[in-house]
Amino acid sequence: SQQGEEDPQALSIQEGENATMNCSYKTSINNLQWYRQNSGRGLVHLILIRSNEREKHSGRLRVTLDTSKKSSSLLITASRAADTASYFCATDDSGGSNYKLTFGKGTLLTVNP
Amino acid sequence: DAGVIQSPRHEVTEMGQEVTLRCKPISGHDYLFWYRQTMMRGLELLIYFNNNVPIDDSGMPEDRFSAKMPNASFSTLKIQPSEPRDSAVYFCASSPGGDTQYFGPGTRLTVL
Repeated sequence: SQQGEEDPQALSIQEGENATMNCSYKTSINNLQWYRQNSGRGLVHLILIRSNEREKHSGRLRVTLDTSKKSSSLLITASRAADTASYFCATDDSGGSNYKLTFGKGTLLTVNP
Repeated sequence: DAGVIQSPRHEVTEMGQEVTLRCKPISGHDYLFWYRQTMMRGLELLIYFNNNVPIDDSGMPEDRFSAKMPNASFSTLKIQPSEPRDSAVYFCASSPGGDTQYFGPGTRLTVL
């Protein structure tokens, strides 16, 4: 079964708007990561947040983590057409290997110019 | 660095044939992962290696699938015999020993 589940499944916004995607997971984790996948390409790592962190920033990306609710959010500010892609959260299992990631099914973000 | 290299990028084969997918990880990365992506099941971890040794193959769907890593710069995923339900995009990823994984461009496999 999927560890991480993204919400919404699809999101369509206008260029310049902010995009927020959410991820829920089931078991305790060490880390949570977000990846981006452009159509027909491999996944690209965006950001990693550790279980003892609550918020992390990288450029136009802001990630929050709430371990009590087992949820995370990814905010992309001032979106661009080039941000159009699928976004996945990936979690490990604190009871297992840090390197065995489980991915959600992703949020398809479309940024309209 | 060239990144993770996978070949072939596309493979079309007939049911019953043997399929071999290849991966060259980023130099110096100690971990190598094989994933399969389908619309129905999303991205699934099949197997991963650490220092060329298979660590967890619990995601390998059945005995028709096998993976090897004969050295630090090369890995193969073999399907024999292939079936139409094996049609998917197969990704290889490598990691330098931390948590971040670097993905290759994938191999799109179609089994007719």
